[in-house]
Amino acid sequence: DIQMTQYPTSLSASVGDRVTITCRASQSIGSYLNWYQHKPGKAPELLIYATSNLQSGVPSRFSGSGSGTDFTLTISSLQPEDFATYYCQKSYSTPRTFGQGTKVEIK
Amino acid sequence: QAQLVQSGSEVKEPGASVKVSCKASGYTFTTFEINWVRQAPGQGLEWMGWMNPNSGNTGYAQKFQGRVTMTRNTSMNTVYMEVSSLRSEDTAVYYCARWRGYRYASNFYYYMDVWGKGTTVTVSS
Repeated sequence: DIQMTQYPTSLSASVGDRVTITCRASQSIGSYLNWYQHKPGKAPELLIYATSNLQSGVPSRFSGSGSGTDFTLTISSLQPEDFATYYCQKSYSTPRTFGQGTKVEIK
Repeated sequence: QAQLVQSGSEVKEPGASVKVSCKASGYTFTTFEINWVRQAPGQGLEWMGWMNPNSGNTGYAQKFQGRVTMTRNTSMNTVYMEVSSLRSEDTAVYYCARWRGYRYASNFYYYMDVWGKGTTVTVSS
């Protein structure tokens, strides 16, 4: 099975910072990569699908890039509501594996 | 708008089974697959499997094969996930999520765009 590895596993940042999270697949998955935001006590929310497509209603400060095995999620200017855990997920075949998550905390 | 409503919290003893429901509304139930994802305390999201509500076909993560069963009732627009032989490690929040496709050129890209609020399952003696 293809493994998904995110890094860092956690980071501390301040409001207004630019934040980048990396996701690496153990084999090429083309552009079949999604990103989700998850806050405690709530359901995960889709941010980006197919590597770089912003889900409707998601602020434009979120962006995604990459292809093959290396992908990034960027938050251009971190806002208070962005403190959460972020997950990448492969959508190329099953299992539809998630990365282990990156927790974004307040500095 | 599309919505998935899950059943309420459950407390079960080790060795028992639990059946969680996920009722769809606001869209044609048979059009999109449903995934099940869980999060154990302090852990990340774990994909468990999928069900096609139209055909009834299912697919499970290897870890759950033989212990998880997904079914559906099309007249009630509801998908069910049953976990048997529960152990303490199955204590988690279980989510259902719709699997939607996006066509670009000749490719389809899929993602989980609508999620249920989650069902807490606690396994404890």
